[in-house]
Amino acid sequence: KAGVTQTPRYLIKTRGQQVTLSCSPISGHRSVSWYQQTPGQGLQFLFEYFSETQRNKGNFPGRFSGRQFSNSRSEMNVSTLELGDSALYLCASSYSGGAEETQYFGPGTRLLVL
Amino acid sequence: AQSVTQLGSHVSVSEGALVLLRCNYSSSVPPYLFWYVQYPNQGLQLLLKYTSAATLVKGINGFEAEFKKSETSFHLTKPSAHMSDAAEYFCAVSVTDSWGKLQFGAGTQVVVTP
Repeated sequence: KAGVTQTPRYLIKTRGQQVTLSCSPISGHRSVSWYQQTPGQGLQFLFEYFSETQRNKGNFPGRFSGRQFSNSRSEMNVSTLELGDSALYLCASSYSGGAEETQYFGPGTRLLVL
Repeated sequence: AQSVTQLGSHVSVSEGALVLLRCNYSSSVPPYLFWYVQYPNQGLQLLLKYTSAATLVKGINGFEAEFKKSETSFHLTKPSAHMSDAAEYFCAVSVTDSWGKLQFGAGTQVVVTP
């Protein structure tokens, strides 16, 4: 079974630009969550999507948005990039259901904002 | 609001010695608790989870954790450290049965010395 795929793996942008990151979950997983990881703030929850609906949202400004498609693939978008948005963005897919309950993280997209 | 506190940002342990990583949680309702490991330049890997089924939880790679409600703790242990255990470890909490929204601790970097 293929793991969680995130594209691109590395990205360099300049302030003011916008960026879209993609996450393809494990086949059969309907929940996709996004996290931001920085040395200063650690791991912070961005949002979770389940069956194309945002189920949970973290405390990030409206510049951060996401969506999920019918095939469970998810994208997150950051508009008007700031230097502080430089981070590793992690996506996780999960399946909840009895003994099969589990969650897998992708390798992340490392974003550098100059 | 739920939160977790990891005691010790860095832990050094000798190969073959006991690994003990401390995590205390704060939650107004019975929590779901998790331990994750992150190797350099990789995503997070789930080690184990507590969901109220049993207070002693066994995970992968020889790790286990014990949920102690009276101490609000969920410490991670491994009887004998291996060089491959060198990584960063994160404790996390969720107060819902959704895997999607986790609150992570700041992490503990484990160094294993020969």
